[in-house]
Amino acid sequence: KAGVTQTPRYLIKTRGQQVTLSCSPISGHRSVSWYQQTPGQGLQFLFEYFSETQRNKGNFPGRFSGRQFSNSRSEMNVSTLELGDSALYLCASSRAGLAKEETQYFGPGTRLLVL
Amino acid sequence: DAKTTQPPSMDCAEGRAANLPCNHSTISGNEYVYWYRQIHSQGPQYIIHGLKNNETNEMASLIITEDRKSSTLILPHATLRDTAVYYCIVRGGVGTGTASKLTFGTGTRLQVTL
Repeated sequence: KAGVTQTPRYLIKTRGQQVTLSCSPISGHRSVSWYQQTPGQGLQFLFEYFSETQRNKGNFPGRFSGRQFSNSRSEMNVSTLELGDSALYLCASSRAGLAKEETQYFGPGTRLLVL
Repeated sequence: DAKTTQPPSMDCAEGRAANLPCNHSTISGNEYVYWYRQIHSQGPQYIIHGLKNNETNEMASLIITEDRKSSTLILPHATLRDTAVYYCIVRGGVGTGTASKLTFGTGTRLQVTL
């Protein structure tokens, strides 16, 4: 079974630009969560989508947004990029996200560098 | 979610068992203990999880104390490829709407040496 895939794997942008990252969950998984990892803040939860609806949200500014499509694939967008947005962005999928036991499986991440 | 406490770093000789402790004294009755590891700059890898009973899979064993306030992840025969940061996470309770949100701490950096 294919794992979680993320594209692109690496990205360089400049301040003020916007960026879109993509995540394809494991087949059959309907929940997709996004995380940001930086050396200073560690791994932090951004948001979670289930059935094309945002179900959970972390403490990030509105510049960070996402969406999910009917095939469960998800995208996250960051507008007006800042230097501090440089990070590894991780996507994780699980079957439904609220079952008694739910394991999230992570993708390899997209490394974003903002210059 | 309950907070977890882990030692910042540990060393282990290759071939020996690595025992990684985690304290989660405020865990609720319906919260699971999950373990992930992250090898440098890769996505976190799921290892094992449990509620009350000890669990074992092909990667590791998880020992949870009877009062559930702490647990230990055991890698029975550590290899150099097990060098990674290990995260102990307490999963949000069922029905709270936060079961899908994993809260990562700083983890334990395990260094396996020859």
